[in-house]
Amino acid sequence: AQSVTQLDSHVSVSEGTPVLLRCNYSSSYSPSLFWYVQHPNKGLQLLLKYTSAATLVKGINGFEAEFKKSETSFHLTKPSAHMSDAAEYFCALSDSGNTPLVFGKGTRLSVIA
Amino acid sequence: EAQVTQNPRYLITVTGKKLTVTCSQNMNHEYMSWYRQDPGLGLRQIYYSMNVEVTDKGDVPEGYKVSRKEKRNFPLILESPSPNQTSLYFCASSWRLAGYEQYFGPGTRLTVT
Repeated sequence: AQSVTQLDSHVSVSEGTPVLLRCNYSSSYSPSLFWYVQHPNKGLQLLLKYTSAATLVKGINGFEAEFKKSETSFHLTKPSAHMSDAAEYFCALSDSGNTPLVFGKGTRLSVIA
Repeated sequence: EAQVTQNPRYLITVTGKKLTVTCSQNMNHEYMSWYRQDPGLGLRQIYYSMNVEVTDKGDVPEGYKVSRKEKRNFPLILESPSPNQTSLYFCASSWRLAGYEQYFGPGTRLTVT
């Protein structure tokens, strides 16, 4: 069965320092992986997606993620955090077949001035 | 503008009073889905639809109904709401079930007293 585990429920960083949000997955097929961001009182917005092309994926607002099959991971990174990055981040997985998208429980990112 | 719309955005109701939350997308997507979001539990899928007249249960379908009579619309019906259905609800759509990102509506915050 497919599953997504976000390893941290809350991450706090100082403005200007790197961001790392961790996501591990389990899938019997070749997965498509996504990162979504949710700002307060807003819907979810796609940050980036991996769909079996390049393993290093660049997204919006300077975020990127690397697909590592050997480690079954898809961690999200950003070199320098900005106050506007404070939000909830969700990792999600979709594999082949008739199974819906599976979400992790989310990681809340706080950015300290 | 490509979008998913939900109405109402906020709703306070009483136990047992039937309600419907509407969802509409203008992207000609085949796949539509409803989620609820609760603190600490992330996003949980309620129902999804692969196409017109095709619906299926997600992880937490009890107490909810859906219908898909037209491709663009996917209403969520609570026949007899209870306080444990107080939550933030999101509608989403995508081209297909597997491998495609989902586009989310802005959310509906429901309170059942």
